[in-house]
Amino acid sequence: EAGVVQSPRYKIIEKKQPVAFWCNPISGHNTLYWYLQNLGQGPELLIRYENEEAVDDSQLPKDRFSAERLKGVDSTLKIQPAELGDSAVYLCASSLKSNTEAFFGQGTRLTVV
Amino acid sequence: AQSVAQPEDQVNVAEGNPLTVKCTYSVSGNPYLFWYVQYPNRGLQFLLKYITGDNLVKGSYGFEAEFNKSQTSFHLKKPSALVSDSALYFCAVRDTRNTGGFKTIFGAGTRLFVKA
Repeated sequence: EAGVVQSPRYKIIEKKQPVAFWCNPISGHNTLYWYLQNLGQGPELLIRYENEEAVDDSQLPKDRFSAERLKGVDSTLKIQPAELGDSAVYLCASSLKSNTEAFFGQGTRLTVV
Repeated sequence: AQSVAQPEDQVNVAEGNPLTVKCTYSVSGNPYLFWYVQYPNRGLQFLLKYITGDNLVKGSYGFEAEFNKSQTSFHLKKPSALVSDSALYFCAVRDTRNTGGFKTIFGAGTRLFVKA
């Protein structure tokens, strides 16, 4: 069974440019998460979806970040415009239900220069 | 405020010796508790969880964890460490209360080095 797939694995962009990340969760998993992980720290939740509904986006900086999960399967996370401080690893995860363990993708390492 | 603490940035242990990676939390109610492991250039992998029941839970790769409600701790343990266990370990706690938003909070991680 394929795990959580994220692309791209690495992205380098100049500040003020837009960037998008894509995530394909494990088939049948209703809950999808986007996390941000800074070096030396644990993941921090950006947004959680239950099917296509964003049920927790309280930590998403909505002035520049947006996300969508059309049809309750794949998801994209966008940053526009990117800032130097956005450099981090962006992790996507999915779980069968919101109260079960999460399965993580390999992440996208973003470098903003 | 809800929080998860992993008091040791790094744990060093010799191969064959027992290991413990500590985790304490401050989350009200009856939270769910998880341990994840992260190898270099890999995503986080689930190791084990405590939901309810026996305080000692067993997980992947010979790891186990002990839930202690009075001390609000969930320490990860393994009787005999392997060099291949060297990785970054994260404790996570899920608030199961509606007022807590069902959020999962991760600790900052503990790097485990197992020396041959």
